[in-house]
Amino acid sequence: AQKVTQAQTEISVVEKEDVTLDCVYETRDTTYYLFWYKQPPSGELVFLIRRNSFDEQNEISGRYSWNFQKSTSSFNFTITASQVVDSAVYFCALSEFEEGNEKLTFGTGTRLTIIP
Amino acid sequence: ETGVTQTPRHLVMGMTNKKSLKCEQHLGHNAMYWYKQSAKKPLELMFVYSLEERVENNSVPSRFSPECPNSSHLFLHLHTLQPEDSALYLCASSQRQGRNEKLFFGSGTQLSVL
Repeated sequence: AQKVTQAQTEISVVEKEDVTLDCVYETRDTTYYLFWYKQPPSGELVFLIRRNSFDEQNEISGRYSWNFQKSTSSFNFTITASQVVDSAVYFCALSEFEEGNEKLTFGTGTRLTIIP
Repeated sequence: ETGVTQTPRHLVMGMTNKKSLKCEQHLGHNAMYWYKQSAKKPLELMFVYSLEERVENNSVPSRFSPECPNSSHLFLHLHTLQPEDSALYLCASSQRQGRNEKLFFGSGTQLSVL
């Protein structure tokens, strides 16, 4: 079973609409970290947010917000008033310990297209 | 600009060629990584170097050979690759200091094996 599931392969919305990208994870660790990265057409993944498992407060950064729900093992990402520059592939990732080593597992990504 | 530079951006090679991918980080980080990104698959971690020592090797075929001469440079030497090795190869760096490390990625090398 996938440890990080991003069920939405591709999403297209019209500019200025809000959009939510889903991320569901699976872990047996009680302490773990969740990340979101953005991959624009230029290729490099850009760090957006890191959240540890003990901090369930939602976070807002400008037009970006994240909803961490431990009860449903989800860490969803919402972009408000989307812009064309938001078009990219977005990756959710889970950091946990496995056999004494830290392991970072990425989801398959969601390709977001903002239509002008 | 993430502070991680990869060259070349694109590479086409035959199955009998030998080539190398280069990564350089200007962030003073102590760990460097190679990831493989294939279509519709999660990013796959290939190798991790921490303080210039290889600390992780995720069952990568021997036709991929990493080299980390110092903390700022990382290479991936390629030989006798297969067409299924065609992918985007991403380099990343981080400051390893616990479990909350943030990765900084390069733009990747798009590799096509003919």
